[in-house]
Amino acid sequence: RKEVEQDPGPFNVPEGATVAFNCTYSNSASQSFFWYRQDCRKEPKLLMSVYSSGNEDGRFTAQLNRASQYISLLIRDSKLSDSATYLCVVPNAGNNRKLIWGLGTSLAVNP
Amino acid sequence: NAGVTQTPKFQVLKTGQSMTLQCAQDMNHNSMYWYRQDPGMGLRLIYYSASEGTTDKGEVPNGYNVSRLNKREFSLRLESAAPSQTSVYFCASSVDSATNEKLFFGSGTQLSVL
Repeated sequence: RKEVEQDPGPFNVPEGATVAFNCTYSNSASQSFFWYRQDCRKEPKLLMSVYSSGNEDGRFTAQLNRASQYISLLIRDSKLSDSATYLCVVPNAGNNRKLIWGLGTSLAVNP
Repeated sequence: NAGVTQTPKFQVLKTGQSMTLQCAQDMNHNSMYWYRQDPGMGLRLIYYSASEGTTDKGEVPNGYNVSRLNKREFSLRLESAAPSQTSVYFCASSVDSATNEKLFFGSGTQLSVL
């Protein structure tokens, strides 16, 4: 299994739809997980941190399944402005100071 | 509030030329990082500085050097640029790398080596 693996998409959804992405990871000892958002040709920005079973922030919910070693990101009531690439990030197994970045899942929300 | 500022935004070099990418943060963060992002490769850590006065190699340090000039500034130097170093470079900072706190990124440098 790759250290961090994401479905690259693209996911094309209409406005108002609910969409979910999964991210699998190989380091079973990881305690913290992150979802970053990256707009085209821009820098990544933190969307959510996940330290236990899950986290919710408005329309966004991140869930952690330790048994199956994956985290998910659920976006409800999608907006056009949600169109971006969503990056899954997990601490490196050998050095917690280093982060392993997934390749990202591309989301396009259409009018 | 500027956050993380990196310069230049764009640079074209010829093979063998040298250059330094500058990065400064005004958030009083302890840790700073240099990443590169290539299509199909994701973000890869080049070097990081856990605190002022320390630097450590990341995943892809070959061909690069760094200097943590002070708490605010962390520069990345390419001594002899190669086409394989064509990439988008991001500087980032965080409160403390040990706790994996939120990373704040600069706006990136698009570097092309011909």
